[in-house]
Amino acid sequence: DADVTQTPRNRITKTGKRIMLECSQTKGHDRMYWYRQDPGLGLQLIYYSFDVKDINKGEISDGYSVSRQAQAKFSLSLESAIPNQTALYFCATSAGKNTGELFFGEGSRLTVL
Amino acid sequence: AQKVTQAQTEISVVEKEDVTLDCVYETRDTTYYLFWYKQPPSGELVFLIRRNSFDEQNEISGRYSWNFQKSTSSFNFTITASQVVDSAVYFCALKTSYDKVIFGPGTSLSVIP
Repeated sequence: DADVTQTPRNRITKTGKRIMLECSQTKGHDRMYWYRQDPGLGLQLIYYSFDVKDINKGEISDGYSVSRQAQAKFSLSLESAIPNQTALYFCATSAGKNTGELFFGEGSRLTVL
Repeated sequence: AQKVTQAQTEISVVEKEDVTLDCVYETRDTTYYLFWYKQPPSGELVFLIRRNSFDEQNEISGRYSWNFQKSTSSFNFTITASQVVDSAVYFCALKTSYDKVIFGPGTSLSVIP
């Protein structure tokens, strides 16, 4: 089983719908991240969290919200999806302050019609 | 402000040629980490290397080598004797003292047989 698991892997939805992307990890890491990938723009940081009570906005947090339900779970919500939120979303984890590289999930492809 | 620039959007080389992928970063932090990730056509993100700001030694791993120069804020990646399997998008990333990890836009490398 993957250490960082994202669900769903693929989702097609309509404008205005509420969508939740879930991420769970078995690595025991305290840091978790949500990124969005668009062609030519690389990965843009949406939110990141150091623990259940510490959540921080990234570069493009508008239109998104997150919940850190437990150390192992970090969910991303789109309250009212719009077409320009169509993208590939990645969850990642990291261990320890400063030192650790990111470990990524397999990605969730979201299409908003 | 932190920023990662990868000026080369797309590169094509013929198999067995050497290729260098450029990465320039900006940060005011004195302690930071730099990373390279590979994203093959299958879509997963694969960690390649981590370098901290106090370690300017170049590193070689098989056909891969990295040149870190603080004086020019660059962390370039060279593939020697490229192979078709090296075809991928390569991302450079910067992790700051606040554990915020930002990525460059990526360089798409195509190795032609």
